[in-house]
Amino acid sequence: AQSVTQLGSHVSVSEGALVLLRCNYSSSVPPYLFWYVQYPNQGLQLLLKYTTGATLVKGINGFEAEFKKSETSFHLTKPSAHMSDAAEYFCAVSDNNQGGKLIFGQGTELSVKP
Amino acid sequence: NAGVTQTPKFRVLKTGQSMTLLCAQDMNHEYMYWYRQDPGMGLRLIHYSVGEGTTAKGEVPDGYNVSRLKKQNFLLGLESAAPSQTSVYFCASRSGRGRDFGPGTRLTVT
Repeated sequence: AQSVTQLGSHVSVSEGALVLLRCNYSSSVPPYLFWYVQYPNQGLQLLLKYTTGATLVKGINGFEAEFKKSETSFHLTKPSAHMSDAAEYFCAVSDNNQGGKLIFGQGTELSVKP
Repeated sequence: NAGVTQTPKFRVLKTGQSMTLLCAQDMNHEYMYWYRQDPGMGLRLIHYSVGEGTTAKGEVPDGYNVSRLKKQNFLLGLESAAPSQTSVYFCASRSGRGRDFGPGTRLTVT
């Protein structure tokens, strides 16, 4: 069975500081990995995804993530936080079979201080 | 196109009442999913469908039923609502990008 663990339910950074949101996964098959963002009272928006190929994936809004198979990790980073980045972030894994089910982590709420 | 839409947006039920949540997509996607979101638990898959006329159980299917009579619609039913089903419900369909999510339905069961 697949699973995702996001380390830290709340992360707080200062505006302009590095954003690092941690995600570790468990999968018995090569995983497809996703990061989604959810702004208050809204649905989920795809930030980026890894399927195959290049392990460093760039997404929208300046975010990127690196797939590290040896560490079973897919951490999300952004060099310089902006106030508008404050939201909840979800990491998810799929094996792209069995109906392509996405299994989500519990989420990390990012706060950005001025 | 309208993407993934959900109706209603909000609903309050009393324990024991029934209701149906409707998810519709106009992108001709085969795969559709129902999730529930609860604080600190992320999104958990309730049921999913890989095509018209097919459904399957997800992680937390108990207390819910689904139907996919038409490709564009995926219905989630609660036959006898319980307070534990108070949640935000999201529908999604599978695209080349990943998963397209609807705006959510906030359900409160009193």
